[in-house]
Amino acid sequence: DTAVSQTPKYLVTQMGNDKSIKCEQNLGHDTMYWYKQDSKKFLKIMFSYNNKELIINETVPNRFSPKSPDKAHLNLHINSLELGDSAVYFCASSQREGPLHFGNGTRLTVT
Amino acid sequence: QQQVKQSPQSLIVQKGGISIINCAYENTAFDYFPWYQQFPGKGPALLIAIRPDVSEKKEGRFTISFNKSAKQFSLHIMDSQPGDSATYFCAAIGAAGNKLTFGGGTRVLVKP
Repeated sequence: DTAVSQTPKYLVTQMGNDKSIKCEQNLGHDTMYWYKQDSKKFLKIMFSYNNKELIINETVPNRFSPKSPDKAHLNLHINSLELGDSAVYFCASSQREGPLHFGNGTRLTVT
Repeated sequence: QQQVKQSPQSLIVQKGGISIINCAYENTAFDYFPWYQQFPGKGPALLIAIRPDVSEKKEGRFTISFNKSAKQFSLHIMDSQPGDSATYFCAAIGAAGNKLTFGGGTRVLVKP
């Protein structure tokens, strides 16, 4: 029943590793997003896809690569993880200019 | 450059009191102003939203006041309850794009 689901919920890994976070939405929305929430709770958009096409690509290190196999899925792959990548990553979806629906986040801890 | 500035960063209010959170924006192209509520361990969820053609919108105990000339808007939580304890984010978006810009968040604690 979960509208926007992302896995895993927690991810603990060492510096230098590569990891992926998966996101799926069952709302039929055409746009999906990745947001990063830092330790001070600040939310910042990273990427946005509309019907599998990348439309927003903020100033994010190219170690971060989003992939959208279809409009219901948007995954985030991170290469060569760094300590500063530790944060909570939120997937969200929306229909055109409608409100964003967020998943419950993936807490990434890089040690 | 923070396009949406939110204050205060944190707020403690007694049960039954009024919580007030303020936001100011710079980009006059913004035309949709939602507020999101986030509980610990959860994603933000839309609470209430307003467009600049109205000066106030009320839904239950939550009211948005909007001042277009001052480029400011605020959230009032009337009769605050302990269950309202959460982090609140204001946000703004313009018709030209679909990039929702968030304020820095306000952590609200309602004491019983």
